[in-house]
Amino acid sequence: QVQLVESGGGVVHPGRSLRLSCAASGFTFSSSGMHWIRQAPGKGLEWVAAISSDGSNKYNADSVKGRFTISRDNSNNTLYLQMNSLRVEDTALYYCAKDRGFSGVFDFWGQGILVTVSS
Amino acid sequence: DIQMTQSPSSLSASVGDRVTITCQASQDISNYLNWYQHKPGTAPKLLISDASTLETGVPSRFSGSGSGKDFSFTISSLQPEDFATYYCQQCDNLRPLTFGGGTKLEIK
Repeated sequence: QVQLVESGGGVVHPGRSLRLSCAASGFTFSSSGMHWIRQAPGKGLEWVAAISSDGSNKYNADSVKGRFTISRDNSNNTLYLQMNSLRVEDTALYYCAKDRGFSGVFDFWGQGILVTVSS
Repeated sequence: DIQMTQSPSSLSASVGDRVTITCQASQDISNYLNWYQHKPGTAPKLLISDASTLETGVPSRFSGSGSGKDFSFTISSLQPEDFATYYCQQCDNLRPLTFGGGTKLEIK
């Protein structure tokens, strides 16, 4: 069965960096686009970033452009989100999600990992 | 960006009720519309893709319809396990992908 397990979250001061990881299993990781999606406390879902199956195409939300970088290691079935220059408003539960192809359909999600940005 | 307007934002209903949630896109998105169920502390779950295609294993009491700019999601007879937050999401344009604001379905 498909499993997506996020790690790397925690509490960090504004301006600092954090790298999230998502370990994937139960499907052919190298054939699937992948995404990061977040949910701020008390708010709805917000798409953050996407990467194609081979890593050649990447897209970011405007709210994180220039600060967050999505990447992947297909040899280790792992997705990453490098988050730099973190802001208080980046505080959220971050989910990794598998795409059905690279169509923007999130057919499986992880349980999420909490990132708190606070001074 | 394509804006998704979802209503209502919250809804109180009883077991056995029929409920409908609507979602309107700011521009024509054909049928590139998905619906998700999210319960606190769990991973969101894809229920319907392509506006009306029920995902494998999803009960038939869930349904979706619409195309262009106007969409709806219906639960024909609410069950206790259906109380959750539901989101629509457009995938016509990956830059950026956008969600509706969510509908919190609560027990009356």
